Amino acid sequence: NAGVMQNPRHLVRRRGQEARLRCSPMKGHSHVYWYRQLPEEGLKFMVYLQKENIIDESGMPKERFSAEFPKEGPSILRIQQVVRGDSAAYFCASSGMTGSSYNEQFFGPGTRLTVL
Amino acid sequence: GENVEQHPSTLSVQEGDSAVIKCTYSDSASNYFPWYKQELGKRPQLIIDIRSNVGEKKDQRIAVTLNKTAKHFSLHITETQPEDSAVYFCAASSRGGYQKVTFGTGTKLQVIP
Repeated sequence: NAGVMQNPRHLVRRRGQEARLRCSPMKGHSHVYWYRQLPEEGLKFMVYLQKENIIDESGMPKERFSAEFPKEGPSILRIQQVVRGDSAAYFCASSGMTGSSYNEQFFGPGTRLTVL
Repeated sequence: GENVEQHPSTLSVQEGDSAVIKCTYSDSASNYFPWYKQELGKRPQLIIDIRSNVGEKKDQRIAVTLNKTAKHFSLHITETQPEDSAVYFCAASSRGGYQKVTFGTGTKLQVIP
């Protein structure tokens, strides 16, 4: 059973370019969470998605950042016109869903974005 | 929203000693408290969790305690080993249809051989 997959693992972009980060959840999971981790810092929640729906994007910057989780295919976190401050590790996590139970989040290996 | 505070931010212990990491949370509706271990350059991995209907849970050298009244929970690692060196994150979330997990700021544990 493959775990959460993220690609690319490392991404280098120049200022002003676009970055696309992909996340495939664990088999059977329909909930995806994106987190950002700056060096030597904790995990900051960005967005929570279910298939075709954004449930909570309260942690995502209003501009340049967007996320989707289409019916088919991976979840994508898109950062437009990247700036140096976007350099960070971006982790995706997934969980299963039952209406009233606690669901562990499984993390992917992360995408390390470097903006030159 | 939920706010999770974690202390200390760094912790050094001699191999074989115990390590304790403490967290507090603000939302009384939170009832699930996972702990994650993150080794350098790796993904966070769940090491233990506790639900609000229990006060303590043990798994070999790791234990977690929860005080719901005081909104405190703690991670205890006994007989520490060098491979326990990592960053540890506590977290809190609510049960139900939407499980947003709020993480603490992390504790960097160094076990000195």
